[in-house]
Amino acid sequence: GENVEQHPSTLSVQEGDSAVIKCTYSDSASNYFPWYKQELGKRPQLIIDIRSNVGEKKDQRIAVTLNKTAKHFSLHITETQPEDSAVYFCAAHRYNFNKFYFGSGTKLNVKP
Amino acid sequence: DADVTQTPRNRITKTGKRIMLECSQTKGHDRMYWYRQDPGLGLRLIYYSFDVKDINKGEISDGYSVSRQAQAKFSLSLESAIPNQTALYFCATSDPTLSSYNEQFFGPGTRLTVL
Repeated sequence: GENVEQHPSTLSVQEGDSAVIKCTYSDSASNYFPWYKQELGKRPQLIIDIRSNVGEKKDQRIAVTLNKTAKHFSLHITETQPEDSAVYFCAAHRYNFNKFYFGSGTKLNVKP
Repeated sequence: DADVTQTPRNRITKTGKRIMLECSQTKGHDRMYWYRQDPGLGLRLIYYSFDVKDINKGEISDGYSVSRQAQAKFSLSLESAIPNQTALYFCATSDPTLSSYNEQFFGPGTRLTVL
């Protein structure tokens, strides 16, 4: 099966700085990579995703990059704000295998 | 997402008790999932179902069972709860026909404590 590793487990940045969270996966057939944000006491929600036919995707202050050869993908948050503080999960999915494999999560703390 | 609901939201029970967690959705999605979340371990898949007649084991199905009573309802049971099943449990739905590919829509979670 797939194995997704996520680093770091905790990340503390100053407001306005950038934050980068990295994930690696093991199954080269995985082709869809979403990122979820979970605020304290709330449910995970999709914030951005990328498919294997794309190398980078951006949505305002967040972006995701994918390196299929190295089997890793990263979440980039620029100009961080206190409301970005949350736990972020990456995941990998293989079309028609019908299961998501989640990383262990990164707790991001943005200090005002 | 208010369209995926879970009951109860919190439950404290004792070792050996049978517990049922319920999930309902009004999104009309065929696919439903049960995950558990533990600190430092992320979300791990327990069971998933693609329609009423389809039930599949996930990574950590031992000690759990499920029932898909209808398209909109998916229940998770712990036949004999044990302390290491203390966790936050999430139900999720998805519809791969959506343009968002296979986005998981999560319920609010059920915090289960087994004493």
